[in-house]
Amino acid sequence: DTAVSQTPKYLVTQMGNDKSIKCEQNLGHDTMYWYKQDSKKFLKIMFSYNNKELIINETVPNRFSPKSPDKAHLNLHINSLELGDSAVYFCASSQDRVGLAVSSYEQYFGPGTRLTVT
Amino acid sequence: AQTVTQSQPEMSVQEAETVTLSCTYDTSENNYYLFWYKQPPSRQMILVIRQEAYKQQNATENRFSVNFQKAAKSFSLKISDSQLGDTAMYFCAFTPHTGTASKLTFGTGTRLQVTL
Repeated sequence: DTAVSQTPKYLVTQMGNDKSIKCEQNLGHDTMYWYKQDSKKFLKIMFSYNNKELIINETVPNRFSPKSPDKAHLNLHINSLELGDSAVYFCASSQDRVGLAVSSYEQYFGPGTRLTVT
Repeated sequence: AQTVTQSQPEMSVQEAETVTLSCTYDTSENNYYLFWYKQPPSRQMILVIRQEAYKQQNATENRFSVNFQKAAKSFSLKISDSQLGDTAMYFCAFTPHTGTASKLTFGTGTRLQVTL
């Protein structure tokens, strides 16, 4: 009964390769996110989708392309991987509806995907 | 733009003692939410406690409580009766009350070590 799941949990690849990370949530939430946690543990938003529509794109290189086939899934595809892409990538989801209580703004995180580019 | 500052990179506390982690933020928003997340070595992000900015009452969740000072833009986390399982990175986070895709802005984290 996992709420937010990500695959794979670990990904080791060489520079220049293309890779994808998948995310699924079974909470019935409308909004999904991708965050990047760097080597210093700093977490930063990358993208957000609401009902399959891109809402937030935080100055992320074009090599990163999110795709949301439906509101329960948000995948992250990365082209031409670089050493600096090594990080932990977290998927999250929330309800995000105006007028509801704080619980609708809580974000539930997946277990993270540790990407290592060599 | 919102910013969140955690001025304590590392803290240590003995088991059963109380520790307070500090967090300050900067925003021009009037309606927003604040959260504390815990990240143990397993790296899972776990929501510890949340606070609505329009509520004056400080939130409490079992051994965890906050001291929310809206005018000072301060949101500290108090952990009472610390347990070894509380050892983790703790992140303070802010989100505005926008209704759609409210991104979280995180602080840089405080690494808490609970010792015997």
